[in-house]
Amino acid sequence: DAKTTQPPSMDCAEGRAANLPCNHSTISGNEYVYWYRQIHSQGPQYIIHGLKNNETNEMASLIITEDRKSSTLILPHATLRDTAVYYCIVRPLQYTTSGTYKYIFGTGTRLKVLA
Amino acid sequence: EAQVTQNPRYLITVTGKKLTVTCSQNMNHEYMSWYRQDPGLGLRQIYYSMNVEVTDKGDVPEGYKVSRKEKRNFPLILESPSPNQTSLYFCASRSQQGNEQFFGPGTRLTVL
Repeated sequence: DAKTTQPPSMDCAEGRAANLPCNHSTISGNEYVYWYRQIHSQGPQYIIHGLKNNETNEMASLIITEDRKSSTLILPHATLRDTAVYYCIVRPLQYTTSGTYKYIFGTGTRLKVLA
Repeated sequence: EAQVTQNPRYLITVTGKKLTVTCSQNMNHEYMSWYRQDPGLGLRQIYYSMNVEVTDKGDVPEGYKVSRKEKRNFPLILESPSPNQTSLYFCASRSQQGNEQFFGPGTRLTVL
């Protein structure tokens, strides 16, 4: 399974765009990039995922480089409520032989949005 | 309301005293999973289940058991808890073809 590397922490001013990078240089062609976030010690919350095209939803945008070795999660107008730990995860498209697949969470990026 | 529930939310126990943390989801999801979260180590998967009576080990299964007798429930069993199992535990579920995992609120376990 591909591993991800993220900066341990970042700050962002309220109202500005927060750009969170993720390196997944060993990603294979059949692996998705997923982003989750965790506020305080609550359960992680799904944000967005993609394979190779850029994706956007109501929460965020995901930009994946052409070689797929890295990606950036963009929160276009960060608010104080976006302060959280953000996890970048890769997981295979295909099920494992047991019929499912593992999620491998790293230690994430602690984003602090400053007033 | 679609949700994953866990009980108890907080538990303090002693070494060797068997305990069960329950997890239940009301979304008819096939896939369920248990994670533990420790400072500096992120979230690590303990066990997962693809459907009733189908379970498999995650990355840190030692010292844990699970069962999946009903689709909605996926209890985590610690037969003989030890202090190194002190952690924050999360249960999660998703549909078989779904992309999004739904997480429970967490159970903070302390083993003395």
